[in-house]
Amino acid sequence: AQSVTQLDSQVPVFEEAPVELRCNYSSSVSVYLFWYVQYPNQGLQLLLKYLSGSTLVKGINGFEAEFNKSQTSFHLRKPSVHISDTAEYFCAVSKTSYDKVIFGPGTSLSVIP
Amino acid sequence: DARVTQTPRHKVTEMGQEVTMRCQPILGHNTVFWYRQTMMQGLELLAYFRNRAPLDDSGMPKDRFSAEMPDATLATLKIQPSEPRDSAVYFCASGSKTVDTQYFGPGTRLTVL
Repeated sequence: AQSVTQLDSQVPVFEEAPVELRCNYSSSVSVYLFWYVQYPNQGLQLLLKYLSGSTLVKGINGFEAEFNKSQTSFHLRKPSVHISDTAEYFCAVSKTSYDKVIFGPGTSLSVIP
Repeated sequence: DARVTQTPRHKVTEMGQEVTMRCQPILGHNTVFWYRQTMMQGLELLAYFRNRAPLDDSGMPKDRFSAEMPDATLATLKIQPSEPRDSAVYFCASGSKTVDTQYFGPGTRLTVL
């Protein structure tokens, strides 16, 4: 079975500061990894994905994530956040790109002016 | 720009009433997923279909929920009778082997009074 842990339920950060949202996963098989963002009262938007290849993945809105197989982690980073980054962020895993997705509990990012 | 569509976007109903949610997957996608989002449980998979056949509906309360795909362009999720604990946002997503991620619809926000 697969599972996803997001250690931080809430992360406040000042505008223009860097941020890291942590994600750890558990799986007995190789997985695909995803980060989704959900703005207030909106649907889910894909930020980035790791399928294979380079362990550093770049996504939209200046976000990037690094896959670390030995630590089973897929942390999300941004060097300088904006007010508009305030949202809920979900880490997720899947066995394939078209299999069911297992989501983490989410991290609420609040950017403080 | 192909999108997953869901109707209705909002639904308020009274306990005991039947609720039907509809999803139109992206044309050509053969896998359709239903997820539910609540504050307590987060994002969880209810059921999913491939080529209109149910693959996994273990996340769905069988006594009151049913999911079907009458044809390749329509997926439905029904709740009968509805209960206040069913209040949630229900997301539909679609995908296929030829794309590398799932695409989520905007969700149906259900409130059962």
